[in-house]
Parts: sequence; structure tokens; C-alpha cells
Amino acid sequence: GQSLEQPSEVTAVEGAIVQINCTYQTSGFYGLSWYQQHDGGAPTFLSYNALDGLEETGRFSSFLSRSDSYGYLLLQELQMKDSASYFCAVASPGFQKLVFGTGTRLLVSP
Amino acid sequence: GAGVSQSPSNKVTEKGKDVELRCDPISGHTALYWYRQSLGQGLEFLIYFQGNSAPDKSGLPSDRFSAERTGGSVSTLTIQRTQQEDSAVYLCASSFGEAEQYFGPGTRLTVT
Repeated sequence: GQSLEQPSEVTAVEGAIVQINCTYQTSGFYGLSWYQQHDGGAPTFLSYNALDGLEETGRFSSFLSRSDSYGYLLLQELQMKDSASYFCAVASPGFQKLVFGTGTRLLVSP
Repeated sequence: GAGVSQSPSNKVTEKGKDVELRCDPISGHTALYWYRQSLGQGLEFLIYFQGNSAPDKSGLPSDRFSAERTGGSVSTLTIQRTQQEDSAVYLCASSFGEAEQYFGPGTRLTVT
């Protein structure tokens, strides 16, 4: 089967740095994606890692270790608007499907 | 340009009735996906269309669920004889077959 594990909730204050971890057990791994979803909104794409290492996009960075079946999303200089749910998702070959984790709810306080 | 659109935004139906959910993908996107999301849960893959290839239906939970994509564009997800456990938000996404998928706002289905 396929499973992804993430912490259910993370809290932090504005300006801080937070790391959201994701471990996975899947077959046919092609890459790891991260999506952000605000309450009542649609998921929006944040990043994708196909190879080991760190990908940086502005305040957000994503890391992948294929040998450890592990990745994380790093959010820096947190802002109130970053309060949302964050999902890791494993892509199957050819991007035929994404298998999503259950999501991490990030609460940013003043 | 326009994003992915879905209709209706909300649907309340009685148990046992059939429902149709519509998705208009971004123009030119070859790949189209349906997911569903139960309250507080992650997204569950349902079905995938890519160009003229046979769809990947491996995520459909039962034979009451079906989907089609006409002309490589608009897609309709049909649920027959709805059950209460079908209540969820149904999300459609499209892409060029790459990592970034663009999601629509979803249809919230409530089966009473």
C-alpha cells in the first residue's frame, strides 16, 4: 500500500521558522510535492522534488531524501497568511496520480 | 486566464439519487484529475485522464462512480445511487502532465 505521515498540527509565531516533515511508504515513487490549502480554498502548488536535496522558492524550501523516504517543507519568516494546511504528496511515474498525506495544520500567531 | 472551474459549488441531494459534477479545466491542459476530500482529511485520488489515453480509474471507490471527459476538455463525474458516505468536497485539477496541478474550487456534496 501507500502511506504518507505528517504531523497533524504545528504552531509558530510570526517571523519564526517552521519545518513540516513527511515520511512516505509508496511504490512507484516519482517525486514529492507540497501543496498549501487555506480553509475553504483549493490546494495550491508550492514545490516539487524529484531528486535528493533542497529546492528553494522565496520563503519556502523543500527537501527530499529518497534513501530515507523522507522530505520536509521549511517555511521562513512566517506570516499570518501562512496559516493553512500543508500536504505532502507522492507523484507516481508520469504524474498519473498524486497520493496525498493527511495534511499538517499550521497555526501562526502574532 | 481562467483557472479550473467546477459546478455546482454546492449540491445537496437525497440518498439514492444520482448526481453529476462538472469540471472545466484550464485550456490546453492535457491531464485532468478528480479527487475527493472528506472533512479534515487529505485528498483521495479518484480518476485521471491524459489526452486520448484510457483513463486511470483505479481510485474510484465503487462502480457507482464514473467519469468521462469529452473532447479532451470538460469532464463530468457521476455518482449513482448516492450514499451518505459520499458526502465530501470533490476537487478537479488539470495540468500539462507535470508536477504542478491546478485545482478548481471544488463541489461540496452533501447527501441527506
